[in-house]
Amino acid sequence: GEDVEQSLFLSVREGDSSVINCTYTDSSSTYLYWYKQEPGAGLQLLTYIFSNMDMKQDQRLTVLLNKKDKHLSLRIADTQTGDSAIYFCAEGSTTDSWGKLQFGAGTQVVVTP
Amino acid sequence: DTEVTQTPKHLVMGMTNKKSLKCEQHMGHRAMYWYKQKAKKPPELMFVYSYEKLSINESVPSRFSPECPNSSLLNLHLHALQPEDSALYLCASSQVSGDGEQYFGPGTRLTVT
Repeated sequence: GEDVEQSLFLSVREGDSSVINCTYTDSSSTYLYWYKQEPGAGLQLLTYIFSNMDMKQDQRLTVLLNKKDKHLSLRIADTQTGDSAIYFCAEGSTTDSWGKLQFGAGTQVVVTP
Repeated sequence: DTEVTQTPKHLVMGMTNKKSLKCEQHMGHRAMYWYKQKAKKPPELMFVYSYEKLSINESVPSRFSPECPNSSLLNLHLHALQPEDSALYLCASSQVSGDGEQYFGPGTRLTVT
């Protein structure tokens, strides 16, 4: 079955870059997503990448996709204290017509001053 | 308006109570979702509604009863819950079912005593 794995914790200094990694197993994945969840809040879609792309950049966010290795990463440039949150990667497949996302366990990012 | 609203924000209920969670979106989305999230875990899909019809029930116990009165509203009726049902309940919507670009509400924090 499908499985999405992430490291559980990342500590980064304010102003540095953060890199959050994710691996997935479903080769039929069409879109890969990054969601952010701040304490006590719902999930916020940050960005997503189509599986035929290698890279997508959106302001401070850069998503890299290595489809051969089924490896996805999210780089946050100039990390700020407001970036402290849990980050979930998720995969979606066009073979699943009901929108069921397969989430990773989430990476808790702590930004220190 | 890209907001999904949920009420109440917090709910404490006894095991014999009946209560309802409400979710509303005005983005014209035709797919709506209920998720359950335990602390430090990713969201688990419970139900998917597509064009106001229930399309997925992820083997959820019958003490949870979803309802979609119209395309903007989604309810989750609760009855005879167990303490292990205590969790954050998240509502989400997307343009159509199968779209992983989902917009989440802030959730209802449910405590069953």
